[in-house]
Amino acid sequence: AQKVTQAQTEISVVEKEDVTLDCVYETRDTTYYLFWYKQPPSGELVFLIRRNSFDEQNEISGRYSWNFQKSTSSFNFTITASQVVDSAVYFCALRSGGGADGLTFGKGTHLIIQP
Amino acid sequence: EPEVTQTPSHQVTQMGQEVILRCVPISNHLYFYWYRQILGQKVEFLVSFYNNEISEKSEIFDDQFSVERPDGSNFTLKIRSTKLEDSAMYFCASRAGVAGTGELFFGEGSRLTVL
Repeated sequence: AQKVTQAQTEISVVEKEDVTLDCVYETRDTTYYLFWYKQPPSGELVFLIRRNSFDEQNEISGRYSWNFQKSTSSFNFTITASQVVDSAVYFCALRSGGGADGLTFGKGTHLIIQP
Repeated sequence: EPEVTQTPSHQVTQMGQEVILRCVPISNHLYFYWYRQILGQKVEFLVSFYNNEISEKSEIFDDQFSVERPDGSNFTLKIRSTKLEDSAMYFCASRAGVAGTGELFFGEGSRLTVL
């Protein structure tokens, strides 16, 4: 069975602060894929990043960075210099390799950036 | 940029009525999915579809649900006899490429309200 845990239900920070969203996953598969999606107040799900289980390189994209650590089964997401437009619910998700397996989502972290 | 489109954006129906939610996946994608998100909760996998048949389904996807790809472009979710607890946002998603790889692209969702 697969599981994704986002222990932080809600985080509130002041604009320009850095913030890290935690994600811990469980899977018995050796090949799997991890994702982050953003759900703004408008409701759509916006893809942010995908990582493969065999690629532990961290990634930076502008103000976003991701820290993937297999040793702790974590895939954390950091926003530096947060902006009000970053306010959204962020979901971490997991899929096993092979086939058409669906994503297993975490419960999401509601990020509130205050001006 | 190609996108997944869903119709209707919002549907209100009476309990016991049949509902069909429609999706047009990205044209060269091979894997199709339906997910559900009850208000304020996490995104839940319903069903995946590949090669004109269901690949995987969750325990939520019981006999009242069905999916179809009636032509080369549409992918539909039918709920035969809606219940109050079916009220949710329903997301369609599609994925390209080799099994197990690639991100899911989500539509903007269809909000279903059952009265």
